[in-house]
Amino acid sequence: QSALTQPPSASGSPGQSVTISCTGTSSDVGGYNYVSWYQQHPGKAPKLMIYEVSKRPSGVPDRFSGSKSGNTASLTVSGLQAEDEADYYCSSFAGFNNVFGTGTKVTVL
Amino acid sequence: QVQLMQSGAEVTKPGASVKVSCKASGYTFAGHHVHWVRLAPGQGLEYMGWLDPSNGGTSSAQKFQGRVSMTGDTSISTAYMELSRLRSDDTAVYYCARNVAGAGNAFDIWGQGTMVTVSS
Repeated sequence: QSALTQPPSASGSPGQSVTISCTGTSSDVGGYNYVSWYQQHPGKAPKLMIYEVSKRPSGVPDRFSGSKSGNTASLTVSGLQAEDEADYYCSSFAGFNNVFGTGTKVTVL
Repeated sequence: QVQLMQSGAEVTKPGASVKVSCKASGYTFAGHHVHWVRLAPGQGLEYMGWLDPSNGGTSSAQKFQGRVSMTGDTSISTAYMELSRLRSDDTAVYYCARNVAGAGNAFDIWGQGTMVTVSS
């Protein structure tokens, strides 16, 4: 199972929006509505931000939103804040197991 | 408080095995799959597999098949991941994570991570 493709980096100024793509195939992203997104700060465990494409767990700000079209899922962070600077990973169900994306480092300028 | 507490750091040699534990508290251990994920230095998250604590069922990613064993002990609410025939590129932080209730393969509670170093 190959990793899902994400851009290595993305950036924006405080208050702006940034969108991260996550491209897979019809065997993972395109085949199931089971895409999730994780935020990871250095030295910390990942944190669930979005699950089942667009659902937000309790406590996650509504500045974070998810969507999917075909084999590509997207995470949008609106109203960027300094604490949003982190690595972001998508993940998709792929039959019996999951697969993660390659990861995107988001920088707040 | 719902949490997963993992065992401490390990240093081991190539060819050996390592077993990481993950103790659940604050929820019904048998009610949620436990997943294992690793993060190697300079790399991205890598999915390893899952355990269904209610019946011991498991599934591992193709890359780890034959080398990973995932088990659970419901009497002490603990999951285990054993990786054998270790190589230097198995050096990583290993995480256990709980599946979101009623959702497809999303991980809402994570352990703190266990650093495994493979070095001769």
